[in-house]
Amino acid sequence: AQKITQTQPGMFVQEKEAVTLDCTYDTSDQSYGLFWYKQPSSGEMIFLIYQGSYDEQNATEGRYSLNFQKARKSANLVISASQLGDSAMYFCAMSSVTQGGSEKLVFGKGTKLTVNP
Amino acid sequence: NAGVMQNPRHLVRRRGQEARLRCSPMKGHSHVYWYRQLPEEGLKFMVYLQKENIIDESGMPKERFSAEFPKEGPSILRIQQVVRGDSAAYFCASSPRGPYYGYTFGSGTRLTVV
Repeated sequence: AQKITQTQPGMFVQEKEAVTLDCTYDTSDQSYGLFWYKQPSSGEMIFLIYQGSYDEQNATEGRYSLNFQKARKSANLVISASQLGDSAMYFCAMSSVTQGGSEKLVFGKGTKLTVNP
Repeated sequence: NAGVMQNPRHLVRRRGQEARLRCSPMKGHSHVYWYRQLPEEGLKFMVYLQKENIIDESGMPKERFSAEFPKEGPSILRIQQVVRGDSAAYFCASSPRGPYYGYTFGSGTRLTVV
């Protein structure tokens, strides 16, 4: 069964500094996708970045980059130049596709990021 | 271009009542997923539907929960005879082809059972 582990319940970072949020995963699938979502206090889920298991380059989206280390089964999120608005819960997720064609995301428990001024 | 619309945003039900949660996917999206988020937890998959078909309901509790996505109209998640443990945020997501292409989540419905 697929599993996502986020070992940091909470992280603090100073405004304008970079921060890395850890994510490790476990799967026996050859093909899978890795996602990061942001959940601010208002509650909505905001898609940040996606990495395919066969992608050779690390994904980047603006200030977000995904440090993908396939051999270590890790997919850490790096946020550069943190802003106060980055304070939120961050969830790592992995897509799972069954033989029957069902597709779903498996989520970690999340990391609460606080950006200090 | 409207996103995934969920309503109501907040729902309060007494124990034993029924809760009906609605989700209108993004235009052109024919894949709908429902997830539940308990307090202090990540989202957990409940059910995956395409128009008029339930593809995977492996995450749905065996009793009291049902979901549909009719040919016309929104997807509905129905919880009968709610109990306090059903209190959670319920998120709907839609996709044109599946999660490899990135879900778009709705804002969620926060169900409180009193």
